[in-house]
Amino acid sequence: GQQVQQSPASLVLQEGENAELQCNFSTSLNSMQWFYQRPGGSLVSLFYNPSGTKHSGRLTSTTVIKERRSSLHISSSQTTDSGTYLCAFLNQGGSAKLIFGEGTKLTVSS
Amino acid sequence: GPKVLQIPSHQIIDMGQMVTLNCDPVSNHLYFYWYKQILGQQMEFLVNFYNGKVMEKSKLFKDQFSVERPDGSYFTLKIQPTALEDSAVYFCASSLGGYQNTLYFGAGTRLSVL
Repeated sequence: GQQVQQSPASLVLQEGENAELQCNFSTSLNSMQWFYQRPGGSLVSLFYNPSGTKHSGRLTSTTVIKERRSSLHISSSQTTDSGTYLCAFLNQGGSAKLIFGEGTKLTVSS
Repeated sequence: GPKVLQIPSHQIIDMGQMVTLNCDPVSNHLYFYWYKQILGQQMEFLVNFYNGKVMEKSKLFKDQFSVERPDGSYFTLKIQPTALEDSAVYFCASSLGGYQNTLYFGAGTRLSVL
């Protein structure tokens, strides 16, 4: 089965609303990353966050290793936030490879 | 931030031909990766590469696929021969270390096999 579950699969917001995206892992993880994938396809690394909470502008990522989950909070969403948000993890004991979730597709309308 | 460059951005090729996708990783990085994403689907791991060798490959990394990085130049993915199901976007990534390190991705090469 899927090693990484992302929820929700899609999300539609009005500009200014907040978003909370979730990522759950089925196995112990070594580290994880959040990515933003532009509608054109290119990937941007948002956070490398193996544990704890990190902030970057309107984005906050919180990873709880023991509970095998991570969240991405987007505050005061803007239309330019539209795209797909992917989480990925490096599992413990495996070789160095990121395993991706299916993503959350975010649409922010004005 | 650090940049991974992929050349070309789009490649159109006839089924059965050979194709080489090129990746210029971040200059001091030691680990290199290829991922495959079919339109609208999940990002899938293909292969990772360190110290001149493949460390791990997935079942998507068919016998027709090969990777190399001769003399610290481009990290390449070669497909010979290509098949229709190879049509996808191929992303290259690199990292300084294998664990506890951020992976940086290129913008992808869209491969269309006709």
